[in-house]
Amino acid sequence: DQQVKQNSPSLSVQEGRISILNCDYTNSMFDYFLWYKKYPAEGPTFLISISSIKDKNEDGRFTVFLNKSAKHLSLHIVPSQPGDSAVYFCAANNQGGKLIFGQGTELSVKP
Amino acid sequence: NAGVTQTPKFRVLKTGQSMTLLCAQDMNHEYMYWYRQDPGMGLRLIHYSVGEGTTAKGEVPDGYNVSRLKKQNFLLGLESAAPSQTSVYFCASTQNMGNQPQHFGDGTRLSIL
Repeated sequence: DQQVKQNSPSLSVQEGRISILNCDYTNSMFDYFLWYKKYPAEGPTFLISISSIKDKNEDGRFTVFLNKSAKHLSLHIVPSQPGDSAVYFCAANNQGGKLIFGQGTELSVKP
Repeated sequence: NAGVTQTPKFRVLKTGQSMTLLCAQDMNHEYMYWYRQDPGMGLRLIHYSVGEGTTAKGEVPDGYNVSRLKKQNFLLGLESAAPSQTSVYFCASTQNMGNQPQHFGDGTRLSIL
């Protein structure tokens, strides 16, 4: 039973445009959400997070939105750059301190 | 500052062989984790540790054992490797299980023939 889902395996965006990556979850007890970025042959690196008591968190070009009623979060990257091309994982903290990861979305930003 | 270091980076085993994957962190983190990543399935938690001398099961613990004899090291063992354990293994650590992000190593790619 996949508690965190990223339904889009891949996304292609033109440089300079907005990239929107989506993530859905089923467990309303998740209290903290994170986005990780992963390049090939490297480990995931932390990108941005949001607490369940907030609906938006912004860090430079990256903004995460949380819609608790819809159990949905999204990552917006504006403007997208070729260096943003990577696999993006969303993850949820299940209060027990363990992260539940989505399947990942591969973002390709074309020049 | 190396962060989280995993050794080896690559390994090929035959079915039934055993091996140990080593994870070392130099950030004095209390919590350490082992994940496996398979195509289309994200990262799944195998085992984790909340401090030196402690271990606990994650989502997919069968076929693996772990040890945390020193705070900076977390070992993952495969006693009798099976083809289903072919995967990329990631180690991570964090100081706080709540709102602190986990720091990951670069992974070990393991193939079981």
